[in-house]
Amino acid sequence: AQTVTQSQPEMSVQEAETVTLSCTYDTSESDYYLFWYKQPPSRQMILVIRQEAYKQQNATENRFSVNFQKAAKSFSLKISDSQLGDAAMYFCALDGAGTASKLTFGTGTRLQVTL
Amino acid sequence: EAGVAQSPRYKIIEKRQSVAFWCNPISGHATLYWYQQILGQGPKLLIQFQNNGVVDDSQLPKDRFSAERLKGVDSTLKIQPAKLEDSAVYLCASSTTRTRSEQYFGPGTRLTVT
Repeated sequence: AQTVTQSQPEMSVQEAETVTLSCTYDTSESDYYLFWYKQPPSRQMILVIRQEAYKQQNATENRFSVNFQKAAKSFSLKISDSQLGDAAMYFCALDGAGTASKLTFGTGTRLQVTL
Repeated sequence: EAGVAQSPRYKIIEKRQSVAFWCNPISGHATLYWYQQILGQGPKLLIQFQNNGVVDDSQLPKDRFSAERLKGVDSTLKIQPAKLEDSAVYLCASSTTRTRSEQYFGPGTRLTVT
């Protein structure tokens, strides 16, 4: 079985500052993908960033980057230059179910962005 | 490109009643997923289709939940009879291939069972 743990139910960051959201996971698979999804109050979930486990280089998408520590099974998301539009629920997810793609989500971190 | 469409957006029913949700995936997406998201939790996969075949329904409560994807396009998720604990947001998602590709989510249907 695969599990995803997000230990920060809520985080707050000031506009233009940097914040890091934590995620740990567990899987017996050697080949897996990790994702961060964003869910704004309107509820439509969108992909923020994706990391393939076989790649050592950390993924980056504009202001979003990850710190992937495979041995520690840790996958944190860093948001730089935070904007008001970044306020949302952020879910860490793992896809490691062999040939059948199956996402396991964490419980989420609610990010507030203040002026 | 149109996104994943779901209807209705909101539904309130009494326990023991039946309810159905509809999903239209992004055109050309072979894989379709139904998730249940209970308040304060992450989405949980209920069922996954590849075209019109079921790939994974291991977490679907089959005594009350059913789903179909006729012709490999639209999908319907049904609950009969509903229980109070079924109150949740039901999310539909689709993707281009079965393994590791990005899933695109719809806006969800918020179900309240009273």
